[in-house]
Amino acid sequence: DGGITQSPKYLFRKEGQNVTLSCEQNLNHDAMYWYRQDPGQGLRLIYYSQIVNDFQKGDIAEGYSVSREKKESFPLTVTSAQKNPTAFYLCASSIELGGEAFFGQGTRLTVV
Amino acid sequence: EDQVTQSPEALRLQEGESSSLNCSYTVSGLRGLFWYRQDPGKGPEFLFTLYSAGEEKEKERLKATLTKKESFLHITAPKPEDSATYLCALWGSASKIIFGSGTRLSIRP
Repeated sequence: DGGITQSPKYLFRKEGQNVTLSCEQNLNHDAMYWYRQDPGQGLRLIYYSQIVNDFQKGDIAEGYSVSREKKESFPLTVTSAQKNPTAFYLCASSIELGGEAFFGQGTRLTVV
Repeated sequence: EDQVTQSPEALRLQEGESSSLNCSYTVSGLRGLFWYRQDPGKGPEFLFTLYSAGEEKEKERLKATLTKKESFLHITAPKPEDSATYLCALWGSASKIIFGSGTRLSIRP
């Protein structure tokens, strides 16, 4: 089945640690995105990538980093510089930048 | 600056009671407006794309419409399984997608 797979579903991080969230898609989509969702709020764009080996900062990129070495994969690293990392993280992909996006099931990150 | 606002924040309906959700927007160049459904703890599920004013799309009990300033998601005779948060998202000239904060819909049996 084609789709987007995020892992893990739940992640706990100690303060000061970096953690990496995985996102893999087999839809052959060029564009991929990372969003953050806080309770009662909409989705805010962290990073996006239009094509392999290229990515751009979104609206809230500080404290996060990404890579796009393969078309299928777009991992997100939450660094210790991110002051309030506890949130629900969503990865998405689309055929082209800005088009209809399809989402993974999310990773809930909690800082302990 | 492109903006999108959804209302109401929350809506409680009785089963079978039809209603509409609103998505108001301002954009310099509309390329598309999306509607998504999101269940608790899950990723959004794509519902519709509308590209130009006057366009309508339907799926089961849902119908999405678009004007030059807003979009409506009409829900006809809803059932409890329609309970979810409904998100609209704006695709403007900058190619970024801007999401509204959503409407939490609850349908009582």
